[in-house]
Amino acid sequence: RKEVEQDPGPFNVPEGATVAFNCTYSNSASQSFFWYRQDCRKEPKLLMSVYSSGNEDGRFTAQLNRASQYISLLIRDSKLSDSATYLCVDNGGSQGNLIFGKGTKLSVKP
Amino acid sequence: GAVVSQHPSRVICKSGTSVKIECRSLDFQATTMFWYRQFPKQSLMLMATSNEGSKATYEQGVEKDKFLINHASLTLSTLTVTSAHPEDSSFYICSATIRTSGQETQYFGPGTRLLVL
Repeated sequence: RKEVEQDPGPFNVPEGATVAFNCTYSNSASQSFFWYRQDCRKEPKLLMSVYSSGNEDGRFTAQLNRASQYISLLIRDSKLSDSATYLCVDNGGSQGNLIFGKGTKLSVKP
Repeated sequence: GAVVSQHPSRVICKSGTSVKIECRSLDFQATTMFWYRQFPKQSLMLMATSNEGSKATYEQGVEKDKFLINHASLTLSTLTVTSAHPEDSSFYICSATIRTSGQETQYFGPGTRLLVL
């Protein structure tokens, strides 16, 4: 069974902090991955794609290590609005579906 | 950007009744839509893949006679929870895939929160 494992947190950090999330995936054949953000009682929304070469989008950096089957997300200069649950996602579902981790909850405090 | 809508957003029903949830792609055609379910503090789990014009593909452990899926057009898929029970209370989310410039992106509907009393 294909799985994605994440530390559920919560991560409680002050504004301006740098925080890193990690996840591991079980399917070595998977080719692409994403980080999604899910706010409380809302649908998940795509945050960014994850590439082996690293992907940076403003304060967010995602990295994929295929050898270790490990994915990371780094958030710099965290804002109050970054508070959410971050979902690590494997795009390798057998039906073309996404495989989600349980998510890591981030709470940014003033 | 692409938009996927769901209706209703929230429903409360009595045990034993049936509930229909609609998922629409508003500005694109979707031959495939996915239905996920999310229990509190759990990950989204795929229930079934809805294919336009053919039968849905159900994941292991999901009863096809209980969760009826109809994908009658390229912009609409429906999920009917038949004879709902309290354990069916969950957050049901649909998604559709759009392909642009060789890349696939899945867009999610806003979800339907079902509470069965």
